[in-house]
Amino acid sequence: NAGVMQNPRHLVRRRGQEARLRCSPVKGHSHVYWYRQLPEEGLKFMVYLQKENIIDESGMPKERFSAEFPKEGPSILRIQQVVRGDSAAYFCASSSANYGYTFGSGTRLTVV
Amino acid sequence: DQQVKQNSPSLSVQEGRISILNCDYTNSMFDYFLWYKKYPAEGPTFLISISSIKDKNEDGRFTVFLNKSAKHLSLHIVPSQPGDSAVYFCAASERTSGSRLTFGEGTQLTVNP
Repeated sequence: NAGVMQNPRHLVRRRGQEARLRCSPVKGHSHVYWYRQLPEEGLKFMVYLQKENIIDESGMPKERFSAEFPKEGPSILRIQQVVRGDSAAYFCASSSANYGYTFGSGTRLTVV
Repeated sequence: DQQVKQNSPSLSVQEGRISILNCDYTNSMFDYFLWYKKYPAEGPTFLISISSIKDKNEDGRFTVFLNKSAKHLSLHIVPSQPGDSAVYFCAASERTSGSRLTFGEGTQLTVNP
């Protein structure tokens, strides 16, 4: 499977717990993007990373959210102390240049 | 601040007819526009794109039209097929911001047999 792999597909967390969302980009892609889709809304940009660097995190909430894309391994989006408003679908995309995104199937986070 | 807007949440057409999905934008710095198709429980899939130096791009049954003066683009699907039923997202980017995409809210297209 040469596509973007996201796991888990579904994640349930209680309020106050931590959520870790993983994204393995297409082989050879060094650019990773995270988007969030709230119910009945479009996708909203969160963060853009290249290997070991955050390029643009202007769409990511300043508190509780962090993202990394280490030299080895998948990109991780981490949400600490989750609240009900964090319930959403989180999509990762990768590319090898400025355009040509491939999206993963998303992680659906439910906070109970 | 919704820079990309899709004013029709839903559209229903008969199989074989034309589907026209519309999108408006406000940021004059956008210079690249894309359409994505999304099925439930899947990620968006790229359909077609257009650069601001063009006013039309065609790929099989899909054509995108760009009217820069009106800050408006549209996606035409002809003939429409039941398998085209999905949510369609319009997206835009500006080269100076890298490849960050700004999405519209989406339009649910239903093609009836």
